[in-house]
Amino acid sequence: GENVEQHPSTLSVQEGDSAVIKCTYSDSASNYFPWYKQELGKGPQLIIDIRSNVGEKKDQRIAVTLNKTAKHFSLHITETQPEDSAVYFCAPQGGTYKYIFGTGTRLKVLA
Amino acid sequence: NAGVTQTPKFQVLKTGQSMTLQCAQDMNHEYMSWYRQDPGMGLRLIHYSVGAGITDQGEVPNGYNVSRSTTEDFPLRLLSAAPSQTSVYFCASSGGWNTGELFFGEGSRLTVL
Repeated sequence: GENVEQHPSTLSVQEGDSAVIKCTYSDSASNYFPWYKQELGKGPQLIIDIRSNVGEKKDQRIAVTLNKTAKHFSLHITETQPEDSAVYFCAPQGGTYKYIFGTGTRLKVLA
Repeated sequence: NAGVTQTPKFQVLKTGQSMTLQCAQDMNHEYMSWYRQDPGMGLRLIHYSVGAGITDQGEVPNGYNVSRSTTEDFPLRLLSAAPSQTSVYFCASSGGWNTGELFFGEGSRLTVL
């Protein structure tokens, strides 16, 4: 089955700095690469995604980059703000019906 | 739009009791799934369904049953609750297995004493 790892597991940054979270996967059939944000007491919510025919996608302060050869993709958050503090999950998806999530990264933005 | 609705939000059970966590979505989504999230851990897939009448096991199916009699509803049943099933449970749905985005409910916090 799919093996999904995220690094780091926790990340603390100063407000205004950048944060990068990396997701490594094992299933070479993966073709959809989303990132979810989970705020305290809530369900995860999609913040950005990318498909395998694209190398990078940006949406204001967040971006996702994909390296299919190396089987990893990364979430980039620039100019971090306190409201970016949350747990972030990757969930690469391939040719199966199983959405398997990474172990999560707790981001703390220090004011 | 309600999206994905889970009930109850909180539940306390005694070991050996049974209960059903309800999940309903109003987006006409084919795909529905249940996850559990333990403290400090990620989301682990319990069961999923790709349409009415079709269900399959995820990563951690033992101790849980599901059924999908309608497109809208996907209940999760605990037949004999154990303390190891203390967790937060999330239901999620998607328009199709290759559509991408999962829409999550707000979660159901279950404690088994």
